[in-house]
Amino acid sequence: GAGVSQSPSNKVTEKGKDVELRCDPISGHTALYWYRQSLGQGLEFLIYFQGNSAPDKSGLPSDRFSAERTGGSVSTLTIQRTQQEDSAVYLCASSLDGTSHTQYFGPGTRLTVL
Amino acid sequence: AQSVTQLGSHVSVSEGALVLLRCNYSSSVPPYLFWYVQYPNQGLQLLLKYTSAATLVKGINGFEAEFKKSETSFHLTKPSAHMSDAAEYFCAVSENGLGRLYFGRGTQLTVWP
Repeated sequence: GAGVSQSPSNKVTEKGKDVELRCDPISGHTALYWYRQSLGQGLEFLIYFQGNSAPDKSGLPSDRFSAERTGGSVSTLTIQRTQQEDSAVYLCASSLDGTSHTQYFGPGTRLTVL
Repeated sequence: AQSVTQLGSHVSVSEGALVLLRCNYSSSVPPYLFWYVQYPNQGLQLLLKYTSAATLVKGINGFEAEFKKSETSFHLTKPSAHMSDAAEYFCAVSENGLGRLYFGRGTQLTVWP
């Protein structure tokens, strides 16, 4: 069956521009997670959705970062006024529900801020 | 708070040799523990998970890990390395299996012919 998909796979933007990253979870998965992977920081948690609500936003690094999820499915991570330190691979994962333990990861979006 | 320490950012072994990747965790509640593998330019793939059913957990591709509560460890092993095992390996912990994962910094495994 289809796994977690993310788009775009690569995004190059200029400092100060806004970007949107998209995640399509596995069909029927109610929990969705965003992580960021960078050389200096390893794998960092950003935000967790259960359905359309976000009970844990503690990993969002600044108010330039926001995310939403609509219809209990697709999620969009938005970064406003991008900075060079935002360059990283953004990974999305989904699980059947918040208690099902196994998170399935997408291939990621590589963001480069020039 | 949860945390994960992976000892050794790089491990090199010869093909056919034992693979041992170390992971120690700290958790204030019974942990759920995971090993993920990441091949170049790909997402993370689950190798195995511990959810308190059995202390020795068998995963895919011949990997296994043993949960040792007294040592707060969850080391990953494979008796005989293959070239295809070359990848980055991440240990992770979650609190009661809920919500976010806390990841270690990863161990890059190189397999020499």
